[in-house]
Amino acid sequence: DADVTQTPRNRITKTGKRIMLECSQTKGHDRMYWYRQDPGLGLRLIYYSFDVKDINKGEISDGYSVSRQAQAKFSLSLESAIPNQTALYFCATGSDTQYFGPGTRLTVL
Amino acid sequence: QQPVQSPQAVILREGEDAVINCSSSKALYSVHWYRQKHGEAPVFLMILLKGGEQKGHEKISASFNEKKQQSSLYLTASQLSYSGTYFCGTEKDDYKLSFGAGTTVTVRA
Repeated sequence: DADVTQTPRNRITKTGKRIMLECSQTKGHDRMYWYRQDPGLGLRLIYYSFDVKDINKGEISDGYSVSRQAQAKFSLSLESAIPNQTALYFCATGSDTQYFGPGTRLTVL
Repeated sequence: QQPVQSPQAVILREGEDAVINCSSSKALYSVHWYRQKHGEAPVFLMILLKGGEQKGHEKISASFNEKKQQSSLYLTASQLSYSGTYFCGTEKDDYKLSFGAGTTVTVRA
């Protein structure tokens, strides 16, 4: 079984809809991260969490929110999706080494 | 602030060497290197820590010049499996990474 799982793997939605992307990890790490990847821009940090009670904004947090439900679970929400949020989203966990999930491809029409 | 990677892309024949550079405008605690193959998640290659410690890949080496805030990744005697996009991630003292835009490496037979 994969160490980091993300659901859904693909999602097409419409402008204005609320979307939640979920991430679970079995590696037992305290730290978890959400990134988005756009062509030519690399990976940009949206939010990160160092433990269940710790949530921090990354470089591009506007329009996103997160919830750390347990050590193993970290969810990313788009309260009102816009086309500009069309991207590949990765969850990761770890410290010196970050282990990435398989990604969620989100399309906002 | 994202680090700057160069070159943006490089094409090699099997057995050739290449160098990928990563530079930051801020003082760094560590530099991390990841490789992403098409359609897959980024995978950790190595970490270079302030003070010279290096952990990671057995066949790909890297250097970290702390004074210049620069790191270089050396692909020696490249193999077909080295193809992919390489990202450097720079860490200051706040335990989160800023990734560069990536360098696409294509190794041809």
